[in-house]
Amino acid sequence: AQSVTQLDSQVPVFEEAPVELRCNYSSSVSVYLFWYVQYPNQGLQLLLKYLSGSTLVKGINGFEAEFNKSQTSFHLRKPSVHISDTAEYFCAVSDPNSGGYQKVTFGTGTKLQVIP
Amino acid sequence: DGGITQSPKYLFRKEGQNVTLSCEQNLNHDAMYWYRQDPGQGLRLIYYSQIVNDFQKGDIAEGYSVSREKKESFPLTVTSAQKNPTAFYLCASSIEAGRYNEQFFGPGTRLTVL
Repeated sequence: AQSVTQLDSQVPVFEEAPVELRCNYSSSVSVYLFWYVQYPNQGLQLLLKYLSGSTLVKGINGFEAEFNKSQTSFHLRKPSVHISDTAEYFCAVSDPNSGGYQKVTFGTGTKLQVIP
Repeated sequence: DGGITQSPKYLFRKEGQNVTLSCEQNLNHDAMYWYRQDPGQGLRLIYYSQIVNDFQKGDIAEGYSVSREKKESFPLTVTSAQKNPTAFYLCASSIEAGRYNEQFFGPGTRLTVL
């Protein structure tokens, strides 16, 4: 079964500074990878996804992530954060070869706190 | 506007009572899901449904029940058999479940059992 590790439970960063949120997944021949964002007391919203092709994926709100197969990582980055980026971010993985229902496994989340 | 609605937003119940959480979507999606979210544990799948009148257990189905009588509706009942029901519950849907499609989430229901 697939698993996802988000190493940092909380990441404080000053406004306009760059940020990287780390995500590692268990090894598999192929994977689908996702990042979701959750604002307080709300549902999740998809930021970006990697299904195939270019390893650098651009998403909404200026975020991007790079798929690194050799390191089994899918870190999320933003060059300059804004106060409105304060939220919890979830990395998720799915196995495209599982057949039938494709279960999505979520990480435990990283809370990004942007400091003015 | 198309989307997923969950009601109520906050729900309080006494221990031992069953409670039903509502989830409705007007996206014409075939697949629907229920997740439970606890602090520091991410999302865990309770039940999912790939089509009307069909549903499957997820990773933590004990103490929960669902029905899928209509395409747009997927209510979740938290029964008295659920040992620790206080949590944030999220409903989601996708075009289909047979291959990956983006899951769209509702705003959630926070259940507190007193």
